[in-house]
Amino acid sequence: AQSVAQPEDQVNVAEGNPLTVKCTYSVSGNPYLFWYVQYPNRGLQFLLKYITGDNLVKGSYGFEAEFNKSQTSFHLKKPSALVSDSALYFCAVRDFAYSGAGSYQLTFGKGTKLSVIP
Amino acid sequence: DAGVIQSPRHEVTEMGQEVTLRCKPISGHDYLFWYRQTMMRGLELLIYFNNNVPIDDSGMPEDRFSAKMPNASFSTLKIQPSEPRDSAVYFCASSLVGQGSSGNTIYFGEGSWLTVV
Repeated sequence: AQSVAQPEDQVNVAEGNPLTVKCTYSVSGNPYLFWYVQYPNRGLQFLLKYITGDNLVKGSYGFEAEFNKSQTSFHLKKPSALVSDSALYFCAVRDFAYSGAGSYQLTFGKGTKLSVIP
Repeated sequence: DAGVIQSPRHEVTEMGQEVTLRCKPISGHDYLFWYRQTMMRGLELLIYFNNNVPIDDSGMPEDRFSAKMPNASFSTLKIQPSEPRDSAVYFCASSLVGQGSSGNTIYFGEGSWLTVV
């Protein structure tokens, strides 16, 4: 079975400060990891993903995430937060081991609400 | 690219009425997903299709819910009869499993906001 945990329901950060949104995962095989952002009254937008290769992944809007296999983590980071980054952030994992014909098991976390304070 | 297109964007209906939500996936994608989002339960996968074939419908809450994908460019999610507890945002999403920069990434539509009164 695969699972993902976002331990913080809400993260508050001052504008201009670095931000981190935490995500840990559990899979049997190798993970595919994703971050999505949801602005109010909108759908989920893809930010970035880790499939293989470099552990530091860069994505949209200046976000990046670091894959840490030993800690089974994939935390989302940004060096300098903007008020416009305030949104709901979702981490998701897919276990590559369960990639048989037709199957597509992608599990989402419960989401973390990020509030950037001016 | 037009992205995943959903209709209607907003619907208010009375309890007992039939509701049909529509989705056009991104052209060329081979997976289509229906999700439901509520404050209480978060994001739930209802059903997904691969090459128009339903693969897993274990998330469909009950027999009142049904989904079809008659061709690669269209899918529907139907609720009959609707109940107030069905009020939620319903998202359609699509993906192309494979190599390339967009491979394995799920792309979401803007959602259908359903209110059952």
